[in-house]
Amino acid sequence: EVQLVESGGALVQPGGSLGLSCVVSGFSFSTSAMSWVRQAPGKGLEWVSVISANGGTTKEADSVKGRFTISRDNSKNTLYLQMNSLRVDDTAVYYCAKRGSNNWYDWYFDLWGRGTLVAVSS
Amino acid sequence: EIVMTQAPATLSVSPGERAILSCRASQNVNSNLAWYQQKPGQAPRLLIYGASTRATGIPARFSGSGSGTEFTLTISSLQSEDFAVYYCQQYDDWPLFGPGTTVDIK
Repeated sequence: EVQLVESGGALVQPGGSLGLSCVVSGFSFSTSAMSWVRQAPGKGLEWVSVISANGGTTKEADSVKGRFTISRDNSKNTLYLQMNSLRVDDTAVYYCAKRGSNNWYDWYFDLWGRGTLVAVSS
Repeated sequence: EIVMTQAPATLSVSPGERAILSCRASQNVNSNLAWYQQKPGQAPRLLIYGASTRATGIPARFSGSGSGTEFTLTISSLQSEDFAVYYCQQYDDWPLFGPGTTVDIK
């Protein structure tokens, strides 16, 4: 059974840091490019960051550049998102998602986790 | 910078009727367009990629069409489980989602 299970969401103060994890099973994680996508409460979807299968290439959305870092450990089937300098507008459910294509430029997402809630508030 | 729009914001449909959802890109995204369904409290589910290719396990009543800047998702005969929010997403550039269309029961 395919599973993507996010964890690490919490309530954090503005300016704080938080790390998210996504443990994957049921498909070949080490050959899959992955992404984080977020959704603010009652709002739409926003791509956050992507990472290649071997972790050598990453890209972040402008809204999080310089603050968030995506990484992965293929030996642990785990995707990470380190979030620093958190802002109130980072409040969202964070989903990990698998890229559906084998082409680096085709970033659509065929598998999603259930998400973990990050709330940034004083 | 690409801007994605979707119309209508809300579509009220009776079960068994056809629903037609529109998505527009502010510039050419070729056929690099995906559609997702999201139900309350759930993760999005991929329905269509490449503008018209159904994802694995997606029923044939879902179909996508279009290219360039104008795209359509058609649900031929709405089932009770189809009432949800639908998002389009372009991937001709870095991923960008539209604001969504809510399909609710008329």
